[in-house]
Amino acid sequence: SYVLTQPPSVSVAPGKTARITCGGNNIGSKSVHWYQQKPGQAPVLVIYYDSDRPSGIPERFSGSNSGNTATLTISRVEAGDEADYYCQVWDSSSDHPYWVFGGGTKLTVL
Amino acid sequence: EVQLVESGGGLVQPGGSLRLSCAASGFTVSSNYMSWVRQAPGKGLEWVSVIYSGGSTYYADSVKGRFTISRDNSKNTLYLQMNSLRAEDTAVYYCARMVVAAAPDAFDIWGQGTMVTVSS
Repeated sequence: SYVLTQPPSVSVAPGKTARITCGGNNIGSKSVHWYQQKPGQAPVLVIYYDSDRPSGIPERFSGSNSGNTATLTISRVEAGDEADYYCQVWDSSSDHPYWVFGGGTKLTVL
Repeated sequence: EVQLVESGGGLVQPGGSLRLSCAASGFTVSSNYMSWVRQAPGKGLEWVSVIYSGGSTYYADSVKGRFTISRDNSKNTLYLQMNSLRAEDTAVYYCARMVVAAAPDAFDIWGQGTMVTVSS
């Protein structure tokens, strides 16, 4: 099955840029989606199809995907961005479709 | 307002059964691709099952043969019947609507989750 690898944690100072990576074999050939999850809350879709933002998501959130790495970039980080972030892809390589999540990255705002 | 509300979680003994419900408002369940995603305490997200608008269903290997996804169009509600429950099924269970372009891809609307605890 397809595996997505994320760093367990990323730390950033307020106002700086945070980059969270998601590694996978030739992930650039897949569509990558990103979710933000704050403690005790359901996940929220923040980036889909590599770089599109759902309505209501600030322009500070952006995404890219190429080769073996997808990246979620959060510019001008705010305290309220502190959360767990998960990448996700749809894998159709096995005998049935599968939706795969990365292990998650905890973003800490210093 | 587009919304999903789960219910039916609780404490169940190993080997027992539970049925989760997910009531939708603001959109039609049967016209969408719908999934269940779970999250064990302190762990990441795990996709569990999907039902396509056409009725096809798929399951994660970890629950295949034990869980059944279904929907009631008249009630605009999604269900997850869970049988032969194990301790490792302990998790918060979320229902989620899926974004479909060329294929069902992302999960754009999530419920608040319902906790399932499997323990003696």
